[in-house]
Amino acid sequence: QKEVEQNSGPLSVPEGAIASLNCTYSDRGSQSFFWYRQYSGKSPELIMFIYSNGDKEDGRFTAQLNKASQYVSLLIRDSQPSDSATYLCAVTAGGNNRLAFGKGNQVVVIP
Amino acid sequence: GAVVSQHPSRVICKSGTSVKIECRSLDFQATTMFWYRQFPKQSLMLMATSNEGSKATYEQGVEKDKFLINHASLTLSTLTVTSAHPEDSSFYICSADSGTGGNTIYFGEGSWLTVV
Repeated sequence: QKEVEQNSGPLSVPEGAIASLNCTYSDRGSQSFFWYRQYSGKSPELIMFIYSNGDKEDGRFTAQLNKASQYVSLLIRDSQPSDSATYLCAVTAGGNNRLAFGKGNQVVVIP
Repeated sequence: GAVVSQHPSRVICKSGTSVKIECRSLDFQATTMFWYRQFPKQSLMLMATSNEGSKATYEQGVEKDKFLINHASLTLSTLTVTSAHPEDSSFYICSADSGTGGNTIYFGEGSWLTVV
């Protein structure tokens, strides 16, 4: 089993709609959870991080964490064309802030 | 925010040669840096954890003699791809841990390596 799984295929959403991304992880001991946005050919940039169960909101982004079910999700409200990118879920694993990444979900916002 | 700089951003080298990529934390000290590799349309794969003043910790399947990592100071880690082959062509990204709480991991801009 992979450490971090993102199984959804490319996601197309109309401009202004909500994009929903999900991620599951295998290590119950993981403490920190991150969502990164990566534009093609660029390095990842941090969108959200969350440590505690529940929701965390930052602008148009909401991260949701459920440690019992070992999943973390990201909601993008009022999606904009500039949100079109690949979103990577990452989880700290093995101490030392070592990050394990999911394969990513491509989001395409259609104007 | 904290800045991590990678150099070069793009490099082309001939097969069989070695190439060095630098990762610098510009405004903080990083006892730990991480090196990732990303092939097109794939996720970031952690190659190794670079520890200042000690040997790097390599992930399973990563050849330590091929990917030499040196973390000689608290602000600089280098990755040297030795005897590069075309299959080593990839996007190499470093990150540095500032350890200041909250989100403490900062990514460099990445380095595109093409081996011809």
